[in-house]
Amino acid sequence: GAGVSQSPSNKVTEKGKDVELRCDPISGHTALYWYRQSLGQGLEFLIYFQGNSAPDKSGLPSDRFSAERTGGSVSTLTIQRTQQEDSAVYLCASSLSGGAEYEQYFGPGTRLTVT
Amino acid sequence: AQKVTQAQTEISVVEKEDVTLDCVYETRDTTYYLFWYKQPPSGELVFLIRRNSFDEQNEISGRYSWNFQKSTSSFNFTITASQVVDSAVYFCALSPLGTGFQKLVFGTGTRLLVSP
Repeated sequence: GAGVSQSPSNKVTEKGKDVELRCDPISGHTALYWYRQSLGQGLEFLIYFQGNSAPDKSGLPSDRFSAERTGGSVSTLTIQRTQQEDSAVYLCASSLSGGAEYEQYFGPGTRLTVT
Repeated sequence: AQKVTQAQTEISVVEKEDVTLDCVYETRDTTYYLFWYKQPPSGELVFLIRRNSFDEQNEISGRYSWNFQKSTSSFNFTITASQVVDSAVYFCALSPLGTGFQKLVFGTGTRLLVSP
């Protein structure tokens, strides 16, 4: 079946602009995660959604970052007023449920470059 | 606080050599999960193994084996008879059970280069 998909695969934006990154999880997966992979910080957790519950936003680095998940499926990560330090690969993952015993399936990522 | 250390930044081996990737973790939680992921050049993280902190049995899956030692807080990964297709970045990760979900804390990764 189809895996996790993310779009766009690459995004170049000017400093100060807003960007939206999209994630389509595996059908039937109720848990969705966003991570950021950068040279300086490695792989870091950003936000977690489980079904229709309030998300865990404990990993978001600043209030310029936000995410939503519509209808318990597709998720959008929005970065406002982008800065050069936001340049990174943004990875999305989904799992059958949020419990620690469920494997996370990762998408190919969106490479964001802020110029 | 949780921390995962992968001290080996890059390892180069020749095909058919055995190689061990080290992982040391820190956590105050008594229950947690440990993971290994592979990130090939295509970029997608691929799940390899999950180990519960209660289970210290070593595991073998084909050419892959894992050695979990709670006494030294280590979860090392060995590839036997390495192949060129094993070339990738390998990440060790930790998830405490108390957060209510799988909140992965990753190490910085070890890049493995297997040459023919």
